[in-house]
Amino acid sequence: DVKVTQSSRYLVKRTGEKVFLECVQDMDHENMFWYRQDPGLGLRLIYFSYDVKMKEKGDIPEGYSVSREKKERFSLILESASTNQTSMYLCASSSWTELRETQYFGPGTRLLVL
Amino acid sequence: DAKTTQPPSMDCAEGRAANLPCNHSTISGNEYVYWYRQIHSQGPQYIIHGLKNNETNEMASLIITEDRKSSTLILPHATLRDTAVYYCIVRVVGGAGGTSYGKLTFGQGTILTVHP
Repeated sequence: DVKVTQSSRYLVKRTGEKVFLECVQDMDHENMFWYRQDPGLGLRLIYFSYDVKMKEKGDIPEGYSVSREKKERFSLILESASTNQTSMYLCASSSWTELRETQYFGPGTRLLVL
Repeated sequence: DAKTTQPPSMDCAEGRAANLPCNHSTISGNEYVYWYRQIHSQGPQYIIHGLKNNETNEMASLIITEDRKSSTLILPHATLRDTAVYYCIVRVVGGAGGTSYGKLTFGQGTILTVHP
C-alpha cells in the first residue's frame, strides 16, 4: 500500500514565523503535490513537483515555496506565516507509470497561525 | 480541465445503493472522469476512474453516458462509513512535465450522508 506521511497533524505558529511542512512518500513516485483546503473553497493546488529539484506553481503559490531535494520528500515552506495561511494542508503523490495516475493523499496538517 | 457540477448534498439509507450524479458537459475527448472521496478529517481517497466505458471495482461502479457529458458513481450497498464528501473530477492523463498534467481540480463535491 502506498503511504504518504506528513510531519504533523496539528501545528500552531505565530505570525512572521518560518514554517516547514514535510511530506514523505514510500512508493518511488515521481510527482508530488501540495494543496490547501479551506471551507467553501475546496482543495487548491499550491505547488507540485514532477522530479527531484523540479517544481511548478499551482493555482495559489503566493506566500509559499517548496523544496524537493530527494525523490521521496517534498517540503512546503511558509517564509513568513500570516493568519490567512491558517488552513488544512494536504500532500499527495502519483506516478506517470501508473495508467490511472491516482493521487495518494496524506492525512493532512491542520495549521493555525496566530 | 473541464468543469464539473454536482449536487451539494444527498442522503442514502444504509444498505441501499447510493447514486451520485456529475455533469461535465464541456469534457474533452482526452479527459478522464475521476471520483475521489474525503471522509471527515482525512485526506482524499481515490475511488474509480473511466474514459468512455462503464467501470467497476471493489468500491464502486462508474456509469458514463454515451455522449460523456455526465456520469454517475454508484455505491451498491452504502454503509455508515461511506458518509463523506464525494468529488467528481475530469482531467487529462498521461505525459511528463507541463503545468496541467497530474493536477487535480477539486470542486465543492457532494456531501453524502448515509443514515442507519
